[in-house]
Amino acid sequence: EIVMTQSPATLSVFPGERATLSCRASQSVSRYLAWYQQKPGQAPRLLIYGASTRATEIPARFSGSGSGTEFTLTISSLQSEDFALYSCQQYNDWPLTFGQGTKVEIK
Amino acid sequence: EVQLVQSGAEAKKPGESLKISCKGSGYSFNNYRIGWVRQMPGKGLEWMGIIYPADSDIRYSPSFQGQVTISVDKSISTAYLQWSSLKASDTAIYYCARSAANFFDPWGQGTLVTVSS
Repeated sequence: EIVMTQSPATLSVFPGERATLSCRASQSVSRYLAWYQQKPGQAPRLLIYGASTRATEIPARFSGSGSGTEFTLTISSLQSEDFALYSCQQYNDWPLTFGQGTKVEIK
Repeated sequence: EVQLVQSGAEAKKPGESLKISCKGSGYSFNNYRIGWVRQMPGKGLEWMGIIYPADSDIRYSPSFQGQVTISVDKSISTAYLQWSSLKASDTAIYYCARSAANFFDPWGQGTLVTVSS
């Protein structure tokens, strides 16, 4: 099973600042990596797939990069609605696996 | 609009059985997999399994194999997740989600399952 490790567990950021979230795979997943956003009390929402392709209607301030085992989600200028839990997921191999999540909170 | 609508919250006792549902609309239901994901209180997302409605092909996570059963009724565009004997540790929110290439979009609203004596 491919283990996905996200860091940091919690990221405290001022509104308007850049946020950089990391996701590491225990073995290569090529570019088969997705990112999700989950706000309290809501279902997750797809942000990025294929490591760097934004999903439909996702703002351009969200960008993904990386391949192999190291991936990054960058939020260029945090808006109030961006404070949430972010999870990565690999879909290169079975079983599909998620990271434990990074909570982005207001500083 | 593509939409997945899940059945409502359930409160059950240990040992009871349960079947929750996920109805798809706004797209060709048979042509997309439906996955199930668990989220225990205050925890991250865990993939449980996935079914392809066209041929009912199913893959389970090893962590959930034998613990749950995933099924589908194509005639009513609905997928199911069921337990034969619930445990307190099954208390969680369960999400279904559509999958074209094994990532998930969109997601259902979630079904809260509470198991307590």
